[in-house]
Amino acid sequence: EIVLTQSPATLSLSPGERATLSCRASQSVSTFLAWYQLKPGQPPRLLIYDASNRATGIPARLSGSGSGTDFTLTISSLEPEDFAVYYCQQRSDWPLTFGGGTKVEIK
Amino acid sequence: QVQLQESGPGLVKPSQTLSLTCTVSGGSISSGNYYWSWIRQPAGKGLEWIGRIYTSVTTNYNPSLKSRVTISIDTSKNQFSLKLSSVTAADTAMYYCARENIPVAGSTFDYWGQGTLVTVSS
Repeated sequence: EIVLTQSPATLSLSPGERATLSCRASQSVSTFLAWYQLKPGQPPRLLIYDASNRATGIPARLSGSGSGTDFTLTISSLEPEDFAVYYCQQRSDWPLTFGGGTKVEIK
Repeated sequence: QVQLQESGPGLVKPSQTLSLTCTVSGGSISSGNYYWSWIRQPAGKGLEWIGRIYTSVTTNYNPSLKSRVTISIDTSKNQFSLKLSSVTAADTAMYYCARENIPVAGSTFDYWGQGTLVTVSS
């Protein structure tokens, strides 16, 4: 199965700062990669699909990039609601797999 | 607005069968555009895709769980269900149901339930 490795495990930043999250695949997934946000007590939220397409209602400060094995989720200026855990997920091969997550916490 | 809601026992004894149901509102579960999946997250760990169902007869399961998993669908109730047999403490996790929006984003999950915590303990 395809293993997704996310880094860093934790990102400590202040509101207004830029966040850069990485997801690396053990083999090429083309652009078949998505990003999700998880917060306690809330349904997980789809942010980005197919590497760079924002899901419905996702603000422009969130962007995704990459192809092949290296992907990035960028939050250009952190808002209070952005502090959460983020996961990447590939749909290139079975089974569908997720990364281990990156926690974005308030510094 | 599509909503998914998981339900089922929060405590299951070792060796027994975990059973959960996901009720879908705001849209028909019979639509041919969507697959319906189960995903879990053990405490402190990442997400694991368990399996999915499409129509009443087409299912796909994670090979790591395939021998113990059954996913079924009840279109009359707009629900789909998960059964996981012979559970152990390793199956303790938050369980989510989710929708895959195939035409728009392939096997990407655009709607999720809030999750239900299942603990395996005697």
